[in-house]
Amino acid sequence: EAEVAQSPRYKITEKSQAVAFWCDPISGHATLYWYRQILGQGPELLVQFQDESVVDDSQLPKDRFSAERLKGVDSTLKIQPAELGDSAMYLCASRKGPTSGNTIYFGEGSWLTVV
Amino acid sequence: GQQLNQSPQSMFIQEGEDVSMNCTSSSIFNTWLWYKQEPGEGPVLLIALYKAGELTSNGRLTAQFGITRKDSFLNTSASIPSDVGIYFCAGGDDKIIFGKGTRLHILP
Repeated sequence: EAEVAQSPRYKITEKSQAVAFWCDPISGHATLYWYRQILGQGPELLVQFQDESVVDDSQLPKDRFSAERLKGVDSTLKIQPAELGDSAMYLCASRKGPTSGNTIYFGEGSWLTVV
Repeated sequence: GQQLNQSPQSMFIQEGEDVSMNCTSSSIFNTWLWYKQEPGEGPVLLIALYKAGELTSNGRLTAQFGITRKDSFLNTSASIPSDVGIYFCAGGDDKIIFGKGTRLHILP
């Protein structure tokens, strides 16, 4: 069964350093999401792509976070500089299309610890 | 903005009991999704609902898309130890938002 691939699985970084996460969605999935999940809470949407275009980044802290999906396939989420409060799991998810009837599938997540 | 209220926040039950949890939204949704998450893992899809009134089962799980399109519930029958985890509802259309989760504990 096709899966959403994410890396790295775990990352420990020092405050003020840069960190990047990579996601490869299920083949053929045009919609890609990045969510952040703080321990004990539900996932919070950071950014949504439709192909290579950003369709929603209203919750992305743009002073330090950036996301790109240059060729409309895989995507990178970057944090620079990292802050202690960024410690969380970063989840990537994909969906065949933007409409109802297309299920969202999640990767295993990338755990970030900022020290 | 859109909000999802999921309840209960946590449940402590005996093995073999049935479980019921629900989600309500402040606006109409066209999609309701239910996920289960175990420690250190990403959410795994349990059931997807796309039509108001739809009732869907997956093994011991049953979920319904409310007629008003503002709510959904998930039932689990005859709980077993491996049902322990956090259950999330998610809803929306193009943009999908999540509830805060229901933590299911099974008492020994």
